[in-house]
Amino acid sequence: ETGVTQSPTHLIKTRGQQVTLRCSSQSGHNTVSWYQQALGQGPQFIFQYYREEENGRGNFPPRFSGLQFPNYSSELNVNALELDDSALYLCASSLGGPSGNTIYFGEGSWLTVV
Amino acid sequence: GENVEQHPSTLSVQEGDSAVIKCTYSDSASNYFPWYKQELGKRPQLIIDIRSNVGEKKDQRIAVTLNKTAKHFSLHITETQPEDSAVYFCAASIYGQNFVFGPGTRLSVLP
Repeated sequence: ETGVTQSPTHLIKTRGQQVTLRCSSQSGHNTVSWYQQALGQGPQFIFQYYREEENGRGNFPPRFSGLQFPNYSSELNVNALELDDSALYLCASSLGGPSGNTIYFGEGSWLTVV
Repeated sequence: GENVEQHPSTLSVQEGDSAVIKCTYSDSASNYFPWYKQELGKRPQLIIDIRSNVGEKKDQRIAVTLNKTAKHFSLHITETQPEDSAVYFCAASIYGQNFVFGPGTRLSVLP
């Protein structure tokens, strides 16, 4: 196991609603990144947080936002949910800042938007 | 931005044979290339990685090779076993930031 924990594991939301996903990074890991994995595709980078600041963002609209807390845990918030937001959301943590270490994934949160 | 292509999309091999999955990347600044294995309904798990200052790396039955000039890297699995069946993803990043993943290869090892 990686020590990266995510919650909830599964959830169903209605189009237009908002969702918050949570992640606790592996002990000592100070960098957290979030990925969206649609069915049958590779993970796509959403954004990365280091020292509570967003440090890199992929091609996702502003309704995807996040936070990192002093204990390095993180939240992913998605507003105005769309059907295409249905996916596995993966949190990954790494050690030593954003400059070059392996990322380790949590088990993910399965989001279904109906 | 970076673009990672991966081939083949599906691969079937007989147990005991070798499997090779190839990836190409577009950004010459990319310098870190991990490979992940994802079983059905599970998280991607790191199986091996390589940095741009190394041409090859081995870990038991798994090896990765990197050709920086051609901008491609490959995963080699020898003596395949049924438990190797999974989806494999390659990825490229610059100093561990903003990982870009390939679309995945579904490997089936037939007993």
